[in-house]
Amino acid sequence: KAGVTQTPRYLIKTRGQQVTLSCSPISGHRSVSWYQQTPGQGLQFLFEYFSETQRNKGNFPGRFSGRQFSNSRSEMNVSTLELGDSALYLCASSFEYFTGELFFGEGSRLTVL
Amino acid sequence: GENVEQHPSTLSVQEGDSAVIKCTYSDSASNYFPWYKQELGKRPQLIIDIRSNVGEKKDQRIAVTLNKTAKHFSLHITETQPEDSAVYFCAASRGNDMRFGAGTRLTVKP
Repeated sequence: KAGVTQTPRYLIKTRGQQVTLSCSPISGHRSVSWYQQTPGQGLQFLFEYFSETQRNKGNFPGRFSGRQFSNSRSEMNVSTLELGDSALYLCASSFEYFTGELFFGEGSRLTVL
Repeated sequence: GENVEQHPSTLSVQEGDSAVIKCTYSDSASNYFPWYKQELGKRPQLIIDIRSNVGEKKDQRIAVTLNKTAKHFSLHITETQPEDSAVYFCAASRGNDMRFGAGTRLTVKP
């Protein structure tokens, strides 16, 4: 069974640009959640999607957005990039987000110059 | 929303000693408490979880305890080994919201 796949793995952007990250969940999983990981800040919850609907959102500005497609694949977008957006962005898929095991991807490491 | 605090942020132990990581949560409605381990450069992976109707759960050298009254739960690792060195994250979920602690970097010295 293939794991969670995130693309791209690494990317470098400059301030003001936008970026789109992609996540393909494990087959059969309908929940996809996104996290920002920075040193010392742990896993900051961005949002969670289930069957194409955003069910919950963390405390991030509106520059951070996401969506989920009918095949459960998900994308997140960050517009008007800031230096502080440099981080590892992890997505996780699960059969049921709130009470089941999360399977994480390897992450997309974003560097903003 | 839920707020999870995790302590300590770093922990160093000698091989063979025990390690304890503690988390507190704010929402008494939280009912699912997983722990994830993230080795250097790798993805987080679930190592153990506990639900609110259980006070303690063990899996070989690791155990988790839950005190619903005090709203805290702990991860216990006995007979630590160098391969236990990693960052450990706790989380609390109340059915429509799950939040993670800031993580504990555990170092096991041989």
